[in-house]
Amino acid sequence: EAAVTQSPRNKVTVTGGNVTLSCRQTNSHNYMYWYRQDTGHGLRLIHYSYGAGNLQIGDVPDGYKATRTTQEDFFLLLELASPSQTSLYFCASRDNANTEVFFGKGTRLTVV
Amino acid sequence: EQQVQQSPASLVLQEAENAELQCSFSIFTNQVQWFYQRPGGRLVSLLYNPSGTKQSGRLTSTTVIKERRSSLHISSSQITDSGTYLCATYNSAGNKLTFGIGTRVLVRP
Repeated sequence: EAAVTQSPRNKVTVTGGNVTLSCRQTNSHNYMYWYRQDTGHGLRLIHYSYGAGNLQIGDVPDGYKATRTTQEDFFLLLELASPSQTSLYFCASRDNANTEVFFGKGTRLTVV
Repeated sequence: EQQVQQSPASLVLQEAENAELQCSFSIFTNQVQWFYQRPGGRLVSLLYNPSGTKQSGRLTSTTVIKERRSSLHISSSQITDSGTYLCATYNSAGNKLTFGIGTRVLVRP
């Protein structure tokens, strides 16, 4: 099974703070995704990428930047964190041919 | 924009009962995937079912693309089946996966 590893697993930051969430997948998948999950909203797509250096905007991108530095690594950046970004964040990956998606364990971010 | 609706929102079962979860989507797609999630846990892929019927153990998914719906049947439910079941579909380009809010299932002894 594809391995998707997220770090940190938990993070607390202050309003206005700078946060980077990391995601690494070890199966050379082309697509990587960042989602946030909130009660009443389900999972919502923030950004995604189909290869190193590529970035696509998702459905809720405001306040987030992302960067895909390598095939394996996809980062989510919050440069001025706000309490509304308190959420559970998931990273996922898949390749082109096999549409099955694999998720990481999630990062719980709290902005106080 | 793809929209995914799931019903019911929640379900309580007695152990060994069967259940049927529904998923409908707004845009035709040939890719439907069902996931399972424990509270605060990672999403685990259950079934990828673009069309027709697909089975994995006690789970059976039936997708009718022309009607824009999919269902997940859980047979002989077990306490460990408790959790949230999520349906997801891709957009027409096949690059964005959109999720429903899920069906929360509680199986009681």
